[in-house]
Amino acid sequence: EAQVTQNPRYLITVTGKKLTVTCSQNMNHEYMSWYRQDPGLGLRQIYYSMNVEVTDKGDVPEGYKVSRKEKRNFPLILESPSPNQTSLYFCASSLAGGENSPLHFGNGTRLTVT
Amino acid sequence: AQSVAQPEDQVNVAEGNPLTVKCTYSVSGNPYLFWYVQYPNRGLQFLLKYITGDNLVKGSYGFEAEFNKSQTSFHLKKPSALVSDSALYFCAVTQTGGNKLTFGTGTQLKVEL
Repeated sequence: EAQVTQNPRYLITVTGKKLTVTCSQNMNHEYMSWYRQDPGLGLRQIYYSMNVEVTDKGDVPEGYKVSRKEKRNFPLILESPSPNQTSLYFCASSLAGGENSPLHFGNGTRLTVT
Repeated sequence: AQSVAQPEDQVNVAEGNPLTVKCTYSVSGNPYLFWYVQYPNRGLQFLLKYITGDNLVKGSYGFEAEFNKSQTSFHLKKPSALVSDSALYFCAVTQTGGNKLTFGTGTQLKVEL
């Protein structure tokens, strides 16, 4: 089954403790992206990647890191999480990015930072 | 900069009645518009897109959307709503050569018996 898999689904952590949210897709998609969803703000893009070893900042990249060492994986790293990073996070992928490629989303990771 | 506005946080409609979820956009070039739906505890799912051509776009689950360039709008519609259509709907926009998709704040659709 074609899918985007995120882990974990739920994560509670404390301020400053490094964490990684994994994302993997099995559709051989070139483009991958991370979003955070907050009430009243919709989805905001954190980082995206057009291909292996190519990443770029989205609208809200501060406090986050990503890497794209292989096509299928695009982990999101929070080196020193803070309470304002409490949010619902989504990974997404598409064939090529841009206007012709609808995004496929994972089921989300709900992160709470205390 | 590109942006999307969804002016209604919530839309309530009776089952069997037509529904409309509103979306307006702003881009500097030609717009490419999308609608996505989110069910509880799930990621977003693609419904339909407008790239070029016919202003009325048909998508999944009987939904359609009308592109209006002069009003910079892309409203989502369905002739007869179902209770199972209740979900959170997002409009999104990008433009020619764009790698970033900008989402609206979402509209909660509630269809009641």
